[in-house]
Amino acid sequence: KAGVTQTPRYLIKTRGQQVTLSCSPISGHRSVSWYQQTPGQGLQFLFEYFSETQRNKGNFPGRFSGRQFSNSRSEMNVSTLELGDSALYLCASNPVAATSDTQYFGPGTRLTVL
Amino acid sequence: DQQVKQNSPSLSVQEGRISILNCDYTNSMFDYFLWYKKYPAEGPTFLISISSIKDKNEDGRFTVFLNKSAKHLSLHIVPSQPGDSAVYFCAALNQAGTALIFGKGTTLSVSS
Repeated sequence: KAGVTQTPRYLIKTRGQQVTLSCSPISGHRSVSWYQQTPGQGLQFLFEYFSETQRNKGNFPGRFSGRQFSNSRSEMNVSTLELGDSALYLCASNPVAATSDTQYFGPGTRLTVL
Repeated sequence: DQQVKQNSPSLSVQEGRISILNCDYTNSMFDYFLWYKKYPAEGPTFLISISSIKDKNEDGRFTVFLNKSAKHLSLHIVPSQPGDSAVYFCAALNQAGTALIFGKGTTLSVSS
């Protein structure tokens, strides 16, 4: 069974630009969560989608948005990039809709904002 | 405000010895905790979990202890191996059960 895949793996953007990251969950998984990892803050929850609906959202500004498609693939978008948005963005998929406690993470997308 | 805290950014241990990684939390409503391990250039992988109805959970060389009154949990690795060198994240499942709240991680280095 293929794992969680994220594209692209690496990305370099400049301040003010916008970026879209993609995540394909494990086949059959309907829940996708996004996390931001930075050295200073560790792993922080961005949002979670299930069946194309955002179920939960972390404490990030509105520049961070996401969506999920009918095939469970998810994208996250960051507009008006700032230097502080440089981070590893991780996607995780859950097998079930309910309170699944284990998430399967992808390898992440390393975003560098210059 | 960090709800899950890993106060030691790094830990160095010799091969064969015990590694103890610590984690504190502030929200007494958390009732499920997990440990993840992360190697560079890879996503975190689930290691072991514990429910608040237990105070200990074992899986091979890994044991997690939970002290609810102190809002503290620890991960013991015995014996430590060089392949255990990684970043270890402690996480709590939020009350809605829809997100994990992570600590900042502890980098474990096991030397041979």
